[in-house]
Amino acid sequence: DAGVTQSPTHLIKTRGQHVTLRCSPISGHKSVSWYQQVLGQGPQFIFQYYEKEERGRGNFPDRFSARQFPNYSSELNVNALLLGDSALYLCASSWGQGNTEAFFGQGTRLTVV
Amino acid sequence: AQKVTQAQTEISVVEKEDVTLDCVYETRDTTYYLFWYKQPPSGELVFLIRRNSFDEQNEISGRYSWNFQKSTSSFNFTITASQVVDSAVYFCALSEARPNQAGTALIFGKGTTLSVSS
Repeated sequence: DAGVTQSPTHLIKTRGQHVTLRCSPISGHKSVSWYQQVLGQGPQFIFQYYEKEERGRGNFPDRFSARQFPNYSSELNVNALLLGDSALYLCASSWGQGNTEAFFGQGTRLTVV
Repeated sequence: AQKVTQAQTEISVVEKEDVTLDCVYETRDTTYYLFWYKQPPSGELVFLIRRNSFDEQNEISGRYSWNFQKSTSSFNFTITASQVVDSAVYFCALSEARPNQAGTALIFGKGTTLSVSS
């Protein structure tokens, strides 16, 4: 079975641009969460989606948005990119009931120049 | 507020040494979950263990063992007879219990970088 897949793996954008990151969860998993990990830090929670509805949001500005599709895949969108948005963006999927373990993808490395 | 502290930023050991990674957490919840993840250079976070707050039994899985002590709010991770392949960043994480909701919003510590040399 395929694990969590994220695309693209690497991305370079210019300040002010917009970016869309994609995530496909493990087959059968209905919950997707997004995390931002800046260099040298632990991942920080951005969003959580379950059954296409937002179920949790971390302390991130409105420039960050996400959605989940009927097939449970998800997109993370970031508008008006800042240099500080440079980070590894991780997607995690879980089955969805209670606090089951989350399985992470390899992430998208975003560099804003 | 919930918080996870991993006071050890970096640890270096020689192969076959035992090593313990410390994790201290803060939460006002009486029901919560604790996790350990391994992050190799490839970047993917690899799940190691999940423990709920009502289960204080220590757990052993091969060379890995975990010591959960509610009294000191600690969830430490020991690798016995370390190997070069254990070199990675290790994260401890906490989540509140949400039994009627889905998924897991994890609060991570800053991680401990473990370097095992041969």
